[in-house]
Amino acid sequence: IAGITQAPTSQILAAGRRMTLRCTQDMRHNAMYWYRQDLGLGLRLIHYSNTAGTTGKGEVPDGYSVSRANTDDFPLTLASAVPSQTSVYFCASRKGASTGELFFGEGSRLTVL
Amino acid sequence: AQTVTQSQPEMSVQEAETVTLSCTYDTSENNYYLFWYKQPPSRQMILVIRQEAYKQQNATENRFSVNFQKAAKSFSLKISDSQLGDTAMYFCAFMNPVNNYGGSQGNLIFGKGTKLSVKP
Repeated sequence: IAGITQAPTSQILAAGRRMTLRCTQDMRHNAMYWYRQDLGLGLRLIHYSNTAGTTGKGEVPDGYSVSRANTDDFPLTLASAVPSQTSVYFCASRKGASTGELFFGEGSRLTVL
Repeated sequence: AQTVTQSQPEMSVQEAETVTLSCTYDTSENNYYLFWYKQPPSRQMILVIRQEAYKQQNATENRFSVNFQKAAKSFSLKISDSQLGDTAMYFCAFMNPVNNYGGSQGNLIFGKGTKLSVKP
């Protein structure tokens, strides 16, 4: 089934550890995004990529990095995790400029202790 | 900067009745998209309905419809004949369209959400 796959679905991590959340899509969408969801705050954009080879910062980029080596993969890395990065992380891709709809993965729940 | 405001953190409705979720936004753009996403307890983000700002006609998808008031920058969601499966978080979202030069991010700006409970 075509869509976005995120891994892991859930992870508990010690503070200071490095963590990479994986995101893969098979829809050949150019644009991809990482959001974090926190209770009472909705979803906030961390980083985005309009096309392979380019990335940009969103609303809350500090402590996170991304890469976009190819169209399908858009990993999110926490270089040194802190408890405030405890959240649910969503990867998304955009179907096309004309429709504007985003397709979302099922999310990764990360707990930093 | 664009902002999206959902003023109702929580709402409840009896099964089979109608409920309206409010959303207002702020932008200086004339052309944009508005969305309502549903997030059930499964955590999956599901598109409910989409509205293009240049279209005057309100979007409708089965039991879901919107009241889009462009001048007032309001985009409310009406759910008719509410069902137990409608219980979820609902997020209103705004998007700038990507222009020909790709200058816009094309990302969604979300409100903080409204938790809807449908009671039997």
